[in-house]
Amino acid sequence: DVKVTQSSRYLVKRTGEKVFLECVQDMDHENMFWYRQDPGLGLRLIYFSYDVKMKEKGDIPEGYSVSREKKERFSLILESASTNQTSMYLCASSLWKDGDDGYTFGSGTRLTVV
Amino acid sequence: GENVEQHPSTLSVQEGDSAVIKCTYSDSASNYFPWYKQELGKRPQLIIDIRSNVGEKKDQRIAVTLNKTAKHFSLHITETQPEDSAVYFCAASSRNTGNQFYFGTGTSLTVIP
Repeated sequence: DVKVTQSSRYLVKRTGEKVFLECVQDMDHENMFWYRQDPGLGLRLIYFSYDVKMKEKGDIPEGYSVSREKKERFSLILESASTNQTSMYLCASSLWKDGDDGYTFGSGTRLTVV
Repeated sequence: GENVEQHPSTLSVQEGDSAVIKCTYSDSASNYFPWYKQELGKRPQLIIDIRSNVGEKKDQRIAVTLNKTAKHFSLHITETQPEDSAVYFCAASSRNTGNQFYFGTGTSLTVIP
């Protein structure tokens, strides 16, 4: 079973702090994704990556950046956290770029910015 | 880009009845349509998927249908049980967008015992 592990289940941060959300997958997947999930808005793509050191913007990248230094790890960075970034953040991975594969999701990180 | 719409946003059914959730998509190049179930406090999990060369797929009490001409696909759950209560998301992707999924906004299904 593929496992996608998010380092924190719950986080509380202050406005203006730099926040790191970590995601690790253990099955050599090429693709990794960061989504945020908000009631009534579903899952919205923030950033994704098809390879090491590669990143592409999703639909809502503003206020976020990412890092993929190793294939198994994809980090989401909130450069200066704001209250409107309070949300559930979900990491996902899938096997390769040109395949039709379902995502495997992590358990999520519920971030509260105060 | 792709736009996926999902209806209804909430759905309540009596135990044993059927539930149907519908999604439409805009990009005719989309060719893969997964459905995810997210129970309260848990991660979304893939429950069924369908590819564009197939019109229907079944897995026990769950089925998905795809109408490429009309660009819509539906999830059908028969003989619903309380453990089917969850939020369900549809998604669409195409090789043109490199396995990037576009999700619907979710349907909160409640099965009343």
